[in-house]
Amino acid sequence: EPEVTQTPSHQVTQMGQEVILRCVPISNHLYFYWYRQILGQKVEFLVSFYNNEISEKSEIFDDQFSVERPDGSNFTLKIRSTKLEDSAMYFCASSKDRNQETQYFGPGTRLLVL
Amino acid sequence: AQTVTQSQPEMSVQEAETVTLSCTYDTSENNYYLFWYKQPPSRQMILVIRQEAYKQQNATENRFSVNFQKAAKSFSLKISDSQLGDTAMYFCAFTPDNTDKLIFGTGTRLQVFP
Repeated sequence: EPEVTQTPSHQVTQMGQEVILRCVPISNHLYFYWYRQILGQKVEFLVSFYNNEISEKSEIFDDQFSVERPDGSNFTLKIRSTKLEDSAMYFCASSKDRNQETQYFGPGTRLLVL
Repeated sequence: AQTVTQSQPEMSVQEAETVTLSCTYDTSENNYYLFWYKQPPSRQMILVIRQEAYKQQNATENRFSVNFQKAAKSFSLKISDSQLGDTAMYFCAFTPDNTDKLIFGTGTRLQVFP
């Protein structure tokens, strides 16, 4: 069964450094998403992406964040200058269509900013 | 505001017994989709069950079923014949028709005891 994959599984970085989190969505899906979950808190929407552009973004997704689909398979989240409060689990998800369609999640990348 | 409330931070159940996890939500939309996701200790988000708001019939998926009460904006999850592998965090979520994002509750931690 097709799955969403994410790399790396864990990332440790110093405050102020740039990180890129990578995701490979399910191949026939057209909508891609990033969510984050700070330890002990609920999952929060960051951004959705369709047809090579951002479809919707939350207040959390400020100028420090960017997303890209550099080729036909990868979907990346870049954090330009990491802060301590960016430490969280980052989940990528994909769906065949928007809103009503089920979003399938990857296993997550655990980011720790020191 | 569109919100999801899970009033039970923790629940426990004995193996083979039945347990019900509660969820209420708030939205002014008439059309939306509701989901229960499971997050085991590995922290991957796994879809358990989904319900379309326009369908009156409650969704079932093997041992998992929902009690969807649209007027009351309630969407509870019933797990029958609980198994040790059901031990996980369970998140209720919904996606209104006018947005891409999933809106999550704070989760219920379920422990299944032998």
